Amino acid sequence: DVKVTQSSRYLVKRTGEKVFLECVQDMDHENMFWYRQDPGLGLRLIYFSYDVKMKEKGDIPEGYSVSREKKERFSLILESASTNQTSMYLCASSLPRYTDTQYFGPGTRLTVL
Amino acid sequence: AQKITQTQPGMFVQEKEAVTLDCTYDTSDPSYGLFWYKQPSSGEMIFLIYQGSYDQQNATEGRYSLNFQKARKSANLVISASQLGDSAMYFCAMREYDQTGANNLFFGTGTRLTVIP
Repeated sequence: DVKVTQSSRYLVKRTGEKVFLECVQDMDHENMFWYRQDPGLGLRLIYFSYDVKMKEKGDIPEGYSVSREKKERFSLILESASTNQTSMYLCASSLPRYTDTQYFGPGTRLTVL
Repeated sequence: AQKITQTQPGMFVQEKEAVTLDCTYDTSDPSYGLFWYKQPSSGEMIFLIYQGSYDQQNATEGRYSLNFQKARKSANLVISASQLGDSAMYFCAMREYDQTGANNLFFGTGTRLTVIP
């Protein structure tokens, strides 16, 4: 079974703090993704990575950065958290073919006060 | 333009009845995959069913089937014999071919299904 884990289920931070969200997958997948989910907006892609040290901007990269130093780990960084980044963050991984499904982690609900 | 459109924000179905959740998509790529995911209140996204653009037959997985109408660009999810545990958000998604493998999923806004006892 594919396993995607995220470092926290719930996180509360203050405005201006630097926030790290960690994601780890155990299936040797090339592709990893970070989404945020807000009511009525579905899932929006923040960044994705198709190889170690490679990254591509998604639809809403502003205010975020990512790091992928090892194949199994993909980190999302909020350099200076703001209240409008309060959201559910979902990490996913997959093989690279368009026929392959993405496997999701349990999500991190981030609240920025 | 939206890649994936789900026009039903919410749906209700009686337990043991069948329900259809609508999904239309927009792409000019001949190679693509269509996916449905379920998201219960716990938040985790669960993969349900996949349909490839070249598949001749509609996909089925247990009580889930996908009504794929390529010419109309629709990929509706049919859940038969609904159960209380089917109450959740359902997302339709599409992945297009990319020769570099740098492809991602485009999601719809979801449909919240409520199963009534």
